[in-house]
Amino acid sequence: SQELEQSPQSLIVQEGKNLTINCTSSKTLYGLYWYKQKYGEGLIFLMMLQKGGEEKSHEKITAKLDEKKQQSSLHITASQPSHAGIYLCGAGPLGMGSARQLTFGSGTQLTVLP
Amino acid sequence: ETGVTQSPTHLIKTRGQQVTLRCSSQSGHNTVSWYQQALGQGPQFIFQYYREEENGRGNFPPRFSGLQFPNYSSELNVNALELDDSALYLCASSQEETQYFGPGTRLLVL
Repeated sequence: SQELEQSPQSLIVQEGKNLTINCTSSKTLYGLYWYKQKYGEGLIFLMMLQKGGEEKSHEKITAKLDEKKQQSSLHITASQPSHAGIYLCGAGPLGMGSARQLTFGSGTQLTVLP
Repeated sequence: ETGVTQSPTHLIKTRGQQVTLRCSSQSGHNTVSWYQQALGQGPQFIFQYYREEENGRGNFPPRFSGLQFPNYSSELNVNALELDDSALYLCASSQEETQYFGPGTRLLVL
């Protein structure tokens, strides 16, 4: 079965600083999802990556999938307190009709100090 | 707001009891998945329903069962509750590739 390892487990940064969270897979990733979760709440979809070398951005968050499709990174530029939360990467099969079973990493807890 | 709602928000049960959790999918989404998230961990896939039939199951025992209704709302039932069932239960609905999650139901088993 696929396993996802996230690093670091937790991160404390000063407001305005850049940061990167990594997600490494034991197998080739066919669909890599990034979600954000406020403590004890539901997951908010951020981005999905499919192709090797793909990069997507939304506001100050950029996600990349490496060429070999086994590692993804999430980069936040000029962090703000609103970026605080738990960031989760999830991976699963693609294609209509396939079970959309996502395997998640254990998450990265981000704290942004004002 | 994802358009996915869950009820109740919180629930306390005792060991051995049964519980039913409910999920209302985003309009037009015919697939619903359920996940269990223990404290400090990522969500773990329980099962998925597509057009009212189970279409994939994770490593959970049969006492975890589900239903999906014609309007695509869904239920998760757990029988013979154990202390380790205490967790946040999340449902997610999808039409194509992306799953949209509800806010979750926090279950505490005493």
